[in-house]
Amino acid sequence: TQLLEQSPQFLSIQEGENLTVYCNSSSVFSSLQWYRQEPGEGPVLLVTVVTGGEVKKLKRLTFQFGDARKDSSLHITAAQPGDTGLYLCAGVPGTYKYIFGTGTRLKVLA
Amino acid sequence: SQTIHQWPATLVQPVGSPLSLECTVEGTSNPNLYWYRQAAGRGLQLLFYSVGIGQISSEVPQNLSASRPQDRQFILSSKKLLLSDSGFYLCAWSVLGNSPLHFGNGTRLTVT
Repeated sequence: TQLLEQSPQFLSIQEGENLTVYCNSSSVFSSLQWYRQEPGEGPVLLVTVVTGGEVKKLKRLTFQFGDARKDSSLHITAAQPGDTGLYLCAGVPGTYKYIFGTGTRLKVLA
Repeated sequence: SQTIHQWPATLVQPVGSPLSLECTVEGTSNPNLYWYRQAAGRGLQLLFYSVGIGQISSEVPQNLSASRPQDRQFILSSKKLLLSDSGFYLCAWSVLGNSPLHFGNGTRLTVT
């Protein structure tokens, strides 16, 4: 069974602080995606990383795919209340399946 | 543009009753379709996926089943609901492996 463990599970920080969310697995993935989910809605894609060691930036968010394509991280610089939500990583081990991580609930206080 | 419709938004059902959740996609052909279940504030558990009409892959043995009677229609069913079936059910579609998953707004099911 392929598992994706995210840490931390919960994170409550003040506006302006930096944070990093980790997504770890013992399995290799052909790609890894990060989603953000608001309450009562479906997740929305933030980014897809494909190449081992790849780094992608989306404004204040920086995503990195591990060299061995087993793990990933999401770093947020100067967090804002609008960043509040549930962050989910999802690994694609092959062609059709998307395996989601355990989730990280972020709350940014003004 | 592509859209995904999922209904109902909320559902309260007694234990032992049947279930039928429907999902339809518009604006694309031959999508890969998915059913996920989410516990409160946690990750998504893959239940079923389908790469074509009548083709269903089950990921978790349970009392749920899925069907794809038409290219862009995906149905999640149960003959007899259990308390443990409560949760937030999400339908999603994608075009290719590695492409983004596009989710519906989900159905919150409470089994009483």
